[in-house]
Amino acid sequence: EIVLTQSPDFQSVTPKEKVTITCRASQSIGSSLHWYQQKPDQSPKLLIKYASQSFSGVPSRFSGSGSGTDFTLTINSLEAEDAATYYCHQSSSLPGTFGQGTKLEIK
Amino acid sequence: EVQLVESGGGLVQPGGSLRLSCAASGFTFSSYWMSWVRQAPGKGLEWVANIKQDGSEKYYVDSVKGRFTISRDNAKNSLYLQMNSLRAEDTAVYYCATSQTGNLDYWGQGTLVTVSS
Repeated sequence: EIVLTQSPDFQSVTPKEKVTITCRASQSIGSSLHWYQQKPDQSPKLLIKYASQSFSGVPSRFSGSGSGTDFTLTINSLEAEDAATYYCHQSSSLPGTFGQGTKLEIK
Repeated sequence: EVQLVESGGGLVQPGGSLRLSCAASGFTFSSYWMSWVRQAPGKGLEWVANIKQDGSEKYYVDSVKGRFTISRDNAKNSLYLQMNSLRAEDTAVYYCATSQTGNLDYWGQGTLVTVSS
């Protein structure tokens, strides 16, 4: 099973700040890495698929990069509505696995 | 608009059974892999199972193999999860999700399963 480790676990940020969340895989997964946003009491929503492809309707301030074992989700010019927990997910091999999540708090 | 509506959750005793359903609309259900993902209270996400478009391939996380069965009815645009021999650690919100390739495109609102005596 591939283990995904996100950092940080928690981050408190101010609006308009740039945020970077990293996800490291225990073995190479190519670009089969996806990012989701989950707001409190809501279901997760897909933000980025295959490391860098933005999903339909996702604001352009969200972007992804990386390949192999190291991946990054970047949020440019953070907005108050971005307060959420962010998860990475790999589909390179079964079982699909998720990172532990990164909780973003807006100051 | 893609809609996924889960149902069937509830309180069940350890060792009991439950069948979850997911009603799909707004897309061509028979063209998509479908998945179940769960989230224990206050915890992260865990992929549970997925099923190919025609039901010919099914995969499970080790912790549910032999106890859970994923199935689908393309004529009814519905996905199912039969859960037997339930344990306390199966307590979670269960989400169904579409999976066109490897990512999970759209998610339902989830249904809560509580396993407790």
